[in-house]
Amino acid sequence: GQQVMQIPQYQHVQEGEDFTTYCNSSTTLSNIQWYKQRPGGHPVFLIQLVKSGEVKKQKRLTFQFGEAKKNSSLHITATQTTDVGTYFCAGRTGGGADGLTFGKGTHLIIQP
Amino acid sequence: DAGITQSPRHKVTETGTPVTLRCHQTENHRYMYWYRQDPGHGLRLIHYSYGVKDTDKGEVSDGYSVSRSKTEDFLLTLESATSSQTSVYFCAISEIGGGAETQYFGPGTRLLVL
Repeated sequence: GQQVMQIPQYQHVQEGEDFTTYCNSSTTLSNIQWYKQRPGGHPVFLIQLVKSGEVKKQKRLTFQFGEAKKNSSLHITATQTTDVGTYFCAGRTGGGADGLTFGKGTHLIIQP
Repeated sequence: DAGITQSPRHKVTETGTPVTLRCHQTENHRYMYWYRQDPGHGLRLIHYSYGVKDTDKGEVSDGYSVSRSKTEDFLLTLESATSSQTSVYFCAISEIGGGAETQYFGPGTRLLVL
């Protein structure tokens, strides 16, 4: 079945440093979504990427979808303590709504 | 978040007992999902529903059943709970429109099976 690999599992950064998490799928994706989960909370939708090579920005966050639609990345510029949490990518292969395949997430730990 | 509630929020039960978790949504969404979240595994799909009485299995459906008799309610049942089903369970809905999809998650249910 479809697998979505996400690295790194943990990332420690000093506040103000940049952070990147990477996602790779074993199959071509129709779209990829990114979620953030704060400790003790539930996943919260950040963005969806659909087009090959797509790049989207949300303030300090930059999301990319690879040309082959099999990989994606999330980059945070100048991290802040509010960025703490786990970032998940989630991929979909078909055109339906039969559930997402999630990566295992990257835990972002920020040291002030 | 999209009017999703889950009940109970916490539950402790014993091995072999049946357990039912409820997901309730107020916005008439067609698609509903049950995921479990475990350390080192991320979120894994258990079952999903694409309409009343229309359900299908996900990646980790063994030991679980679901029912959806009304649009607003999606029930997850552990017929005979085992310790391996100790987990955090999240319900989610998909909001689809204009080619875009967003999944909204409920607050989660923490289940401990002793």
